[in-house]
Amino acid sequence: EDQVTQSPEALRLQEGESSSLNCSYTVSGLRGLFWYRQDPGKGPEFLFTLYSAGEEKEKERLKATLTKKESFLHITAPKPEDSATYLCAFSRGETSGSRLTFGEGTQLTVNP
Amino acid sequence: DTGVSQDPRHKITKRGQNVTFRCDPISEHNRLYWYRQTLGQGPEFLTYFQNEAQLEKSRLLSDRFSAERPKGSFSTLEIQRTEQGDSAMYLCASSPGPGLAVRETQYFGPGTRLLVL
Repeated sequence: EDQVTQSPEALRLQEGESSSLNCSYTVSGLRGLFWYRQDPGKGPEFLFTLYSAGEEKEKERLKATLTKKESFLHITAPKPEDSATYLCAFSRGETSGSRLTFGEGTQLTVNP
Repeated sequence: DTGVSQDPRHKITKRGQNVTFRCDPISEHNRLYWYRQTLGQGPEFLTYFQNEAQLEKSRLLSDRFSAERPKGSFSTLEIQRTEQGDSAMYLCASSPGPGLAVRETQYFGPGTRLLVL
């Protein structure tokens, strides 16, 4: 059965303390692995799409990587404004209408 | 840059009432998706449209739920005879799709938060 698991559920960091969020997935025919950021009371904001193992993408203090079983979101020298819930999701593409299957998210808090 | 918009942003209703939500996708996006999100969970897929055709519905979408996209532009999601379990954030997303994988990236609106008393 296709599924995605994110860990940890919650992470508290000091400003400048780098860390990584994990997204483990089991899916046949992965089309894309997506990362979103979600602030309280708002819709998810798109960050990255990764399509194949070994691919990496970066944006400011964030870097996403992908293996055949996991994706990591690395946060370098985080700032308080990076505090949010980070959601991982996968798509199986046209076989499932490109619907996204989400994990439960990692709630990140960065203290000043 | 006009993103996905949703209306209303908040809705409080009494159990048994009907509610309707509207979603306006990014201009020229062919695909439109509806998701539901409860507190502490990731969004769950409900249904999606390609242009005006509703191509897939989740088992989560009971008979009390109906969605339309009459002219392939905006979409509405109606919930009839609301129940307390329907309380959630209802999210709409759109994508350029189909075709290249990059066209499948979904952009979300701000959501409509529903509270059923």
